[in-house]
Amino acid sequence: EAQVTQNPRYLITVTGKKLTVTCSQNMNHEYMSWYRQDPGLGLRQIYYSMNVEVTDKGDVPEGYKVSRKEKRNFPLILESPSPNQTSLYFCASWPQGEGGHEQFFGPGTRLTVL
Amino acid sequence: LAKTTQPISMDSYEGQEVNITCSHNNIATNDYITWYQQFPSQGPRFIIQGYKTKVTNEVASLFIPADRKSSTLSLPRVSLSDTAVYYCPPQEALIFGKGTTLSVSS
Repeated sequence: EAQVTQNPRYLITVTGKKLTVTCSQNMNHEYMSWYRQDPGLGLRQIYYSMNVEVTDKGDVPEGYKVSRKEKRNFPLILESPSPNQTSLYFCASWPQGEGGHEQFFGPGTRLTVL
Repeated sequence: LAKTTQPISMDSYEGQEVNITCSHNNIATNDYITWYQQFPSQGPRFIIQGYKTKVTNEVASLFIPADRKSSTLSLPRVSLSDTAVYYCPPQEALIFGKGTTLSVSS
């Protein structure tokens, strides 16, 4: 089944404790992206990747890091989480190429930073 | 830079047809128009996509005028389960924004 998976689905942590949220897709997509969703603010892009070893900042990259060492994986790293990073996070992937494309989203990771 | 504009919210009743319009400022010649649906605490999911004129699938219809500066998502005979947020993000910018919150009542 074509899908995007995220782990963990729920995470409660404390300020300053480094964490990683994993994202994996099995569709051989070139593009991957991380979004955060907060009440009243909609979906905002954090980082995106166009292929292995190619990443770029989105709208709200501060406090986050990403890496793309393999095509299928795109982990989101919070080196020193703060309470303002409490949010619902989504990973997405889509294929490269001309014409229209559909973004496939993961199930979300709800992060709480105390 | 491509940008889309859509109403923040809409209300409807079960059984009615709902039309949500999106303005596509600076849409690129090769860009497609795509709509997504999102239920609470779930990731957005693809509904429909088109380039011009009309596209219909089992879920919705999409109307795109010749100038492609707008699009209209049409949901026939909505039910309570259609209550969700609907997005029409620009293709190149990949910015979803706040979308349109559709509330369907009985």
